Amino acid sequence: DTEVTQTPKHLVMGMTNKKSLKCEQHMGHRAMYWYKQKAKKPPELMFVYSYEKLSINESVPSRFSPECPNSSLLNLHLHALQPEDSALYLCASSPYEAPLQETQYFGPGTRLLVL
Amino acid sequence: AQSVTQLGSHVSVSEGALVLLRCNYSSSVPPYLFWYVQYPNQGLQLLLKYTTGATLVKGINGFEAEFKKSETSFHLTKPSAHMSDAAEYFCAVSAEYGGSQGNLIFGKGTKLSVKP
Repeated sequence: DTEVTQTPKHLVMGMTNKKSLKCEQHMGHRAMYWYKQKAKKPPELMFVYSYEKLSINESVPSRFSPECPNSSLLNLHLHALQPEDSALYLCASSPYEAPLQETQYFGPGTRLLVL
Repeated sequence: AQSVTQLGSHVSVSEGALVLLRCNYSSSVPPYLFWYVQYPNQGLQLLLKYTTGATLVKGINGFEAEFKKSETSFHLTKPSAHMSDAAEYFCAVSAEYGGSQGNLIFGKGTKLSVKP
């Protein structure tokens, strides 16, 4: 199984809502990532979890909050988002045996629209 | 700091023609380079990668890329385009993040169109 799953596929939320994105992998990978991809742009890294230790891209606003309940699951909690946060949110995972050389396996993404 | 530059935001070829997507990198250390493909409304899929060893790397779907250190390039090619190759292609370099983790730094992407 080389699949990373993400739910939901689509999400529409208001600026006062709280919602969560979910990512799951069963490949035994020890690193998981959240990327944000705006239309016609490349993905940009938001967070990395490796061995359940979080590394944050300091440019990411605090209205995005990652959570790693276990090594297979990665959530992204959303609160008080802005319309400019509308994007495709991609989750990825990698084995973390040789981090710089490894393939990152991407999920299909959650397309988020903030009204 | 590592970076990649993809020349040409949009490339159009005829079915059966050669595909050439250009990528140049900048890195102060030996780079690890990747090509990913993204089909509409989907995530990214690895086509191929260069880490060490052979400089000509073969990937999935008939794609290959050659690492040329003297030219700081990692161009992606395919001898004969298929309609199913129409997609967005991203070149990426791996960089350190958080002290030890790998972070993919992507180029801006090249959209490949294939004409019948």
